Amino acid sequence: EVQLLESGGDLVQPGGSLRLSCAASGFTFTTHGMAWVRQAPGKGLEWVSSISTSGSGTFYADSVKGRFTISRDNSQNTLSLQMSTLRAEDTAIYYCAKMMTAPAVPFFDCWGQGILVTVTS
Amino acid sequence: EIVLTQSPATLSLSPGERATLSCRASQTISSYLAWYQQKPGQAPRLLIYDASNRATGIPARFSGSGSGTDFTLTISSLEPEDFAVYYCQHRRSWPLAFGRGTKVEIK
Repeated sequence: EVQLLESGGDLVQPGGSLRLSCAASGFTFTTHGMAWVRQAPGKGLEWVSSISTSGSGTFYADSVKGRFTISRDNSQNTLSLQMSTLRAEDTAIYYCAKMMTAPAVPFFDCWGQGILVTVTS
Repeated sequence: EIVLTQSPATLSLSPGERATLSCRASQTISSYLAWYQQKPGQAPRLLIYDASNRATGIPARFSGSGSGTDFTLTISSLEPEDFAVYYCQHRRSWPLAFGRGTKVEIK
């Protein structure tokens, strides 16, 4: 069974930093691109960042570019999101998501349960 | 940057009725569109990819159509479990984007 388990969510002050992790299991991690998608309270989905299978390709939404860094550890089957200079508008549930491989396109066929990040003073 | 506009924002229907949801792209995206379903307190679920392909395990009452800029998700006969919020997402280019969603509610 495919599982994605996020961790690291917390309450943080504006300007602070936080690192989210996603532990993947039940599939061959190294053959799937991965992504983070967030959802502010009561709002819609917002794509945040994606990373290629090797980690050499990374992509970001304009709203987080320069502040967030996506990475992956293929030896540990782990996806991470380093978030810095956090703002109130970064408050959201953050989902780890697995990209399709058949076909290999950036649509998301499996999602974690989500982890809450709250940015407030 | 490609913007996706979903309509209507809310659709009020009864079980057994047909639901037709629309997603319009600000520029052509070929067939590079997916649809997701999200229920309260749950993560989204992929329903349709590349405009018309049902994802694994998705019932046949869900169908997608369209290409270019105009896309439609059709639920042929609403089941009680289909009342949820539906999002479209494109993969035409980076940055990826979702629409704002259509809520299908019980009339």
